[in-house]
Amino acid sequence: AQSVTQPDIHITVSEGASLELRCNYSYGATPYLFWYVQSPGQGLQLLLKYFSGDTLVQGIKGFEAEFKRSQSSFNLRKPSVHWSDAAEYFCAVGSSGGSYIPTFGRGTSLIVHP
Amino acid sequence: NAGVTQTPKFRILKIGQSMTLQCTQDMNHNYMYWYRQDPGMGLKLIYYSVGAGITDKGEVPNGYNVSRSTTEDFPLRLELAAPSQTSVYFCASSDSSGANVLTFGAGSRLTVL
Repeated sequence: AQSVTQPDIHITVSEGASLELRCNYSYGATPYLFWYVQSPGQGLQLLLKYFSGDTLVQGIKGFEAEFKRSQSSFNLRKPSVHWSDAAEYFCAVGSSGGSYIPTFGRGTSLIVHP
Repeated sequence: NAGVTQTPKFRILKIGQSMTLQCTQDMNHNYMYWYRQDPGMGLKLIYYSVGAGITDKGEVPNGYNVSRSTTEDFPLRLELAAPSQTSVYFCASSDSSGANVLTFGAGSRLTVL
């Protein structure tokens, strides 16, 4: 069965600092990987996705993520955080083998200090 | 271009009452999902549907029921509300491409007292 681990419940950064949110997955074959963002009181919005090809993927709002098969990781990065990036971030893994039910991590809450 | 629409946004129920959370999508997606979100617990899948007339249980189906009579609508029913069902509920949909990219509604916050 597929699973996702986001080891950090909360991350605090200063505005302008770099950011890395960790995500580790467990899946037997090539996974589909996603990062979603949830602003307060809102639904989840897709930031970026990895299906195949280039292991460094670019997303919206200046975010990027790198797929590392050897480490079973898909960490999310941003070089300079803005106060508006404060939100809940969810990593998810889906199946390339036909299952249409992605599995979500428990989320990481990003706090941005001015 | 509405996407996924959920109603109501907020609701307070008394223990034992029943209600239906409505979800409709206008993207002609075959797959629809109901999740609940509790603090620090991420998203838990309640029920899902791969097409009209087909539904299946997710991780936490107890206390809930669903139906899928049309492609557009996927209502979630709570028959006998319990305090443990206090949560934020999200409906989502995806297309049939197998890409698993979900479009989410804005959520429905339910409190059972």
